[in-house]
Amino acid sequence: EDQVTQSPEALRLQEGESSSLNCSYTVSGLRGLFWYRQDPGKGPEFLFTLYSAGEEKEKERLKATLTKKESFLHITAPKPEDSATYLCAVQDSNYQLIWGAGTKLIIKP
Amino acid sequence: NAGVTQTPKFQVLKTGQSMTLQCAQDMNHEYMSWYRQDPGMGLRLIHYSVGAGITDQGEVPNGYNVSRSTTEDFPLRLLSAAPSQTSVYFCASSSGYNSPLHFGNGTRLTVT
Repeated sequence: EDQVTQSPEALRLQEGESSSLNCSYTVSGLRGLFWYRQDPGKGPEFLFTLYSAGEEKEKERLKATLTKKESFLHITAPKPEDSATYLCAVQDSNYQLIWGAGTKLIIKP
Repeated sequence: NAGVTQTPKFQVLKTGQSMTLQCAQDMNHEYMSWYRQDPGMGLRLIHYSVGAGITDQGEVPNGYNVSRSTTEDFPLRLLSAAPSQTSVYFCASSSGYNSPLHFGNGTRLTVT
């Protein structure tokens, strides 16, 4: 059965303290892995798409990487405005999206 | 750029009442979808549409109806509200099957 698991559920960091969020998946025929950011009371906002193992994408303090079993969202020197819930979704061979439950990231000044 | 607009933002219903959640997009996207978001769970697909006049069921369609008469609008109807339908509902659109989704800001629905 296709499954996406995100860890940790919540992560508290000091401003400037780098870390990584994990998205592990089992899926039949990966077409793509998506990362989204969700602020409280808002809809998810697209960050990255990764298509194949070894691929990396960067945007400001965020870098997403992909292996055959998991993806990492690395956050370098985070700022309080990076606080949000980060969602991972995997698209299978039938173009169906399977979503993780998210990681709530809190950056303390 | 309005993007995806959802109304209302909040709604309280009594068990058995019906209502329609509105969704409109101004990006000329063919693909539109409805999700529900519950605490501790990933987004779950309710219904989706690949173009005007075409709709299909997602993972959790029971108790909901949709129609797509225009490219822009994709309303979600709750036929007879139940407490299990208390959730946050998101409408999303995209330009293709494997393109990123653009989400509205959601409707928080409480059924008492």
